[in-house]
Amino acid sequence: QVHLVQSGGEVKKPGASVKVSCKAFGYSFTGFEIYWVRQGPGQGLEWMGWINPDNGDTNSAQKFQGRVTMTRDTSISTAYLELTRLTSDDTAVYYCARNSTLDPWGQGTLVIVSS
Amino acid sequence: QSVLTQAPSVSGAPGQRVTISCTGSSSNIGSPYEVHWYQQLPGTAPKLLIYGNNNRPSGVPDRFSVSKSGTSASLAITGLQAEDEADYYCQSYDSSLSGSVVFGGGTKLTVL
Repeated sequence: QVHLVQSGGEVKKPGASVKVSCKAFGYSFTGFEIYWVRQGPGQGLEWMGWINPDNGDTNSAQKFQGRVTMTRDTSISTAYLELTRLTSDDTAVYYCARNSTLDPWGQGTLVIVSS
Repeated sequence: QSVLTQAPSVSGAPGQRVTISCTGSSSNIGSPYEVHWYQQLPGTAPKLLIYGNNNRPSGVPDRFSVSKSGTSASLAITGLQAEDEADYYCQSYDSSLSGSVVFGGGTKLTVL
């Protein structure tokens, strides 16, 4: 069935970068955009951006422009989110989801930024 | 500060009907953009609950329904069940933010 599997949790120091992966199963990877959403501790959902796996086009929220890079490897049906210059405010669970209706979601990747 | 506004919490007894509202503006809900709703059970990833005009993914019971009027949207849950206790988020797009995805702050539903 259609599902997304994300990479495991990460602990990073302030100023470092993190790269989260999202592997797609059960559908044509290039047929649907991959969206990235994060959720801080006890917080709501925050959209970060999306990538079109077919042509690599991306669109990111203004807040993250200059710090976020979204890429994909179609040979292994995997999308990536890289966030640089991490601060404690970036501590969150990062989710990927398919398509503009965000269905389904990956299981989430916890990223902790701490010195 | 979320672009879409939701009440932080709502509660109801089993069997009752509750509604969760989502208020936006003319650049998001009040535009032709669709509104989608997500359910997040404790400790799990969000799940698509309803998309657009009352479209329910397979497995979502028809106890869940939505409506939209002007710059607001609402999620109604009838026949409330204990398993409905979760956080609910509305989502749309905003033309003033170049079509960016916007979320409500979420509403915690407690089943009494």
